[in-house]
Amino acid sequence: GENVEQHPSTLSVQEGDSAVIKCTYSDSASNYFPWYKQELGKGPQLIIDIRSNVGEKKDQRIAVTLNKTAKHFSLHITETQPEDSAVYFCAASMAGGYQKVTFGTGTKLQVIP
Amino acid sequence: KAGVTQTPRYLIKTRGQQVTLSCSPISGHRSVSWYQQTPGQGLQFLFEYFSETQRNKGNFPGRFSGRQFSNSRSEMNVSTLELGDSALYLCASSMRNSGTEAFFGQGTRLTVV
Repeated sequence: GENVEQHPSTLSVQEGDSAVIKCTYSDSASNYFPWYKQELGKGPQLIIDIRSNVGEKKDQRIAVTLNKTAKHFSLHITETQPEDSAVYFCAASMAGGYQKVTFGTGTKLQVIP
Repeated sequence: KAGVTQTPRYLIKTRGQQVTLSCSPISGHRSVSWYQQTPGQGLQFLFEYFSETQRNKGNFPGRFSGRQFSNSRSEMNVSTLELGDSALYLCASSMRNSGTEAFFGQGTRLTVV
């Protein structure tokens, strides 16, 4: 089955700096890679996703890159703000089927004002 | 548009009891997936339902079961509760299947004593 590794497990950055979270996956059939942000006491919220036919996707301060050959993808947050502090999860699945979504173990991001 | 609604938000049960959790997906979404979230194991996939049929199942014992109704609402049941079942149970709804945008509810916090 699919295995997703996520690093780092914790990340502290100064407000305004960039943060990068990296994930690797094992199943080359996976083609859909969402990222979720989970704040305390809430369910995960989809913040950005990327499909395997795209190498990069941006949405304001957030970007995701995908390297299919190396089977890794990354989340980039620029100009971090205190409200970016949360736990971030990457995930992998195969769109178009009913393959389960496999999540990474999460990265706790702390943005220091 | 209403989000994913999970009830109840909190539950305390005794070992050996059974529990039923409910999830109402976003209107128009036909797929509901369930996850168990614990500090040690992260987000673990339980099962996915689409059009009242279980399409995929994670590696959980048979004590964990679920169903989906014709209006796409879903329930999951855990019988013979164990202390290790204490967790946040999350459901996610998506329009088609797990490989598309999924939206999570706030979860049900189950504590087994």
